[in-house]
Amino acid sequence: DQQVKQNSPSLSVQEGRISILNCDYTNSMFDYFLWYKKYPAEGPTFLISISSIKDKNEDGRFTVFLNKSAKHLSLHIVPSQPGDSAVYFCAASPFTGGGNKLTFGTGTQLKVEL
Amino acid sequence: DSGVTQTPKHLITATGQRVTLRCSPRSGDLSVYWYQQSLDQGLQFLIHYYNGEERAKGNILERFSAQQFPDLHSELNLSSLELGDSALYFCASSVGTNRGNSPLHFGNGTRLTVT
Repeated sequence: DQQVKQNSPSLSVQEGRISILNCDYTNSMFDYFLWYKKYPAEGPTFLISISSIKDKNEDGRFTVFLNKSAKHLSLHIVPSQPGDSAVYFCAASPFTGGGNKLTFGTGTQLKVEL
Repeated sequence: DSGVTQTPKHLITATGQRVTLRCSPRSGDLSVYWYQQSLDQGLQFLIHYYNGEERAKGNILERFSAQQFPDLHSELNLSSLELGDSALYFCASSVGTNRGNSPLHFGNGTRLTVT
């Protein structure tokens, strides 16, 4: 039962353009949503998060949007840079869950081309 | 550098064998989590320790066990290995526990190959 789904295994974007990565979830108990970025041979690194009381959170070139009614969130990267090429994991947690309740999606491989 | 250290980086072993994966959390972090990533899968939560005590179990097989020592490092023991146990095993740490907005800090993982 995939409670967090990333339906696009890969995405290719030109440098300077916007990258939009999508994530859907099914569990209405999820209150926090996080994005992690992973380079080859490294562990995932935290990128940005959003709580369910917000619909947008911005950090530099990265913005996460949350649509609770649709159980959908997206990560926007503007402008995209070659160094953004990585696998991006969406993750979700209920408020009191912490790491032990973190549910990950299967990831989207982003390739930013010159 | 996340500050989380995992050893070894790679491990190749045969079916039926037993291995131990080691994790040292970031300085000051009391929680250690173990995750498994199989091919084309997301990270699956295995087990969580906080300050030496087991706090939660996920989809961890009975053949697998873990512990966290007084110096806060943790070991994940995998026994009676099967081909399907081949995966990346990640350790992550955080300062506390039970806060959904507290991001985890991951190590670089141990790639286990069972032949």
